[in-house]
Parts: sequence; C-alpha cells; structure tokens
Amino acid sequence: DIVMTQSPDSLAVSLGERATINCKSSQSVFYSSNNKNSLAWYQQKPGQPPKLLLYSASTRESGVPNRFTGSGSGTDFTLTISSLQAEDAAVYYCQQYYTSVRSFGQGTKLEIK
Amino acid sequence: EVQLVHSGAEVKKPGATVRISCQVYGYTFSDYYMHWVRQAPGRGLEWVGLVDPEDGETVYAEKFQDRVTISAATSADTAYLELSSLRTEDTAVYYCTIEKRVDAFDIWGQGTMVTVSS
Repeated sequence: DIVMTQSPDSLAVSLGERATINCKSSQSVFYSSNNKNSLAWYQQKPGQPPKLLLYSASTRESGVPNRFTGSGSGTDFTLTISSLQAEDAAVYYCQQYYTSVRSFGQGTKLEIK
Repeated sequence: EVQLVHSGAEVKKPGATVRISCQVYGYTFSDYYMHWVRQAPGRGLEWVGLVDPEDGETVYAEKFQDRVTISAATSADTAYLELSSLRTEDTAVYYCTIEKRVDAFDIWGQGTMVTVSS
C-alpha cells in the first residue's frame, strides 16, 4: 500500500502570510497514460466532513479560492495558501487515488498566529 | 442535488458487530463506487474500503480485511458497512463518500458516529 506522509504536523501562520504544507508518497502516483498525478488535497474544519480543495495535484475544485495552489509530481507535493485568511484555519490532508486502496496523509493542523 | 444520508449514531460493546448505512439521492447509485472513510476522535482520516454497487465487488484496507464487510443494495440506493469484533479503538465517525465529478472524493455524507464502550 502507498503511505502518505505530510509535514509539518502543525504550523501557525499570521494573517496575510503564506502557508506551505508538504506531502510525500512512498511510491510515485503519476499516471503516464494521462500525464496526471493521482493526488488530492482536502480541508477539514471541526464537526464537518472533509472538503475537496484540489485534485490531480494542482486543479482547483469548483469554488475554491485561487489563494490555494497545489504543485509537485511523482512522489513530492505541496499545498500553498498564498495569503492566509482567518477561515483557512483547519486541518489539511493529502490523499492518493493511484491505487484502488486509497490512503491519506496524517493531516497538518494550520492555525492562525 | 446529490446527497449521501447516513444512518444514526450507534453505541456498541466490545466484541459486538455494527452495521451502518448510507443512502444516496440525486444520482444513479450504481454509477460510482461507494467508499467508506473513518475518523477517530481527534485523529486523521483512514480509508476503510469500497464497493462497486454495479456488481458488489469490494476492496478493503488490509487492516480491516478480516473484520469488515461493505455491501450495496441497488434496490434501496443504499450502501452498508458492517464491522465485527468491535474494539474501543473502532470508536470513530464513519463517512461514506464518492468520486462523482472528478477522481477524488468530491461528495461526502455527514458521517455516523460509532461508539464502542463497555
């Protein structure tokens, strides 16, 4: 099974500043057949189910603000929030869908400093 | 509007079996695999398994392989998760979710809380 590892486990960032979360997979999740990475990012707030932010590593889901950007390929990925807003405080998860057996990273808690 | 509607909260004793459900609205149930993801209190997301409602084929995470059964009833537009030999560490919110418009979990139910306690 593919193991997803995020870093850091938590971070505190000031309003308006940039937040960066990393995700590493234990094997490549790049599909050469469609030239896409099978990697998604989710945001979860307390008491709510996760919300899809990005898929194919860098494609924003409909309605997601453009301050959320995904990058990377193969085994190393990054979620960047360019100008942190108060409502961005949440836990963020990466997830691979390269294999039938899906897996998530352990999560990164983002707090406002 | 697409909706995934969970059954109500459950409280079970260790060693028991729990069966929870997820009824879908607003789309053709057999068109998309149904996945289950769980989240223990204060912990991260853990993928449990999936079912293809079209033919009932399942894939499970290895850690649940011997204790979980996921099934689908197309006549009721409902997916089920059954977990046996419950342990206190199975206490969690169990979510059903689908990959409808994109190849990622874009639709989620609100979850069913399962509490295992003696």
